[in-house]
Amino acid sequence: SQQGEEDPQALSIQEGENATMNCSYKTSINNLQWYRQNSGRGLVHLILIRSNEREKHSGRLRVTLDTSKKSSSLLITASRAADTASYFCATDASGFGNEKLTFGTGTRLTIIP
Amino acid sequence: GAVVSQHPSRVICKSGTSVKIECRSLDFQATTMFWYRQFPKKSLMLMATSNEGSKATYEQGVEKDKFLINHASLTLSTLTVTSAHPEDSSFYICSATARDRGYNEQFFGPGTRLTVL
Repeated sequence: SQQGEEDPQALSIQEGENATMNCSYKTSINNLQWYRQNSGRGLVHLILIRSNEREKHSGRLRVTLDTSKKSSSLLITASRAADTASYFCATDASGFGNEKLTFGTGTRLTIIP
Repeated sequence: GAVVSQHPSRVICKSGTSVKIECRSLDFQATTMFWYRQFPKKSLMLMATSNEGSKATYEQGVEKDKFLINHASLTLSTLTVTSAHPEDSSFYICSATARDRGYNEQFFGPGTRLTVL
């Protein structure tokens, strides 16, 4: 399987703390994306980082990418109860718009109020 | 913009029946739609890639005769689970890419929960 791995599988933190999730993948990529999924719902796109980028920010989100280690991290700062969800990384191996994504195993994040 | 809908959101059926799930892009033309399957507390597994007007490309291990995919227009793809059995119970999610939005951004539907009794 080409599916990536994420760790931790589950993470519980107090509201206000920072949450860090890691993703490792197996093949060369063009892009890596992070998605959020609330229980029983579809996926919400959070951020995309290209293979030639090392870090990207969006609001309280910070994503890093290390292509030499085939890994990425997602940092959520000042966590809120509404951040409780599962988070998935997804990679694609092409720069064009129609290529399939390979998802990681996901991290279930619980923010304790 | 870039909204993808799925219908139905939940369906319960008897073993042996067929179920059709619709995936629609509401405000853009989707050149490609993807169908995923997700088991509880697991990740998404790609089942097939559907291009408008052509046959779907199935991932290894996915039975094309069991999971029929039709992408008849740029805004609609359907997944039909034929002769459903309890092991087909799962969460099915579609996504779509937009011709005019470029660079591999997929927009996901809200998912369909299928329960086969």
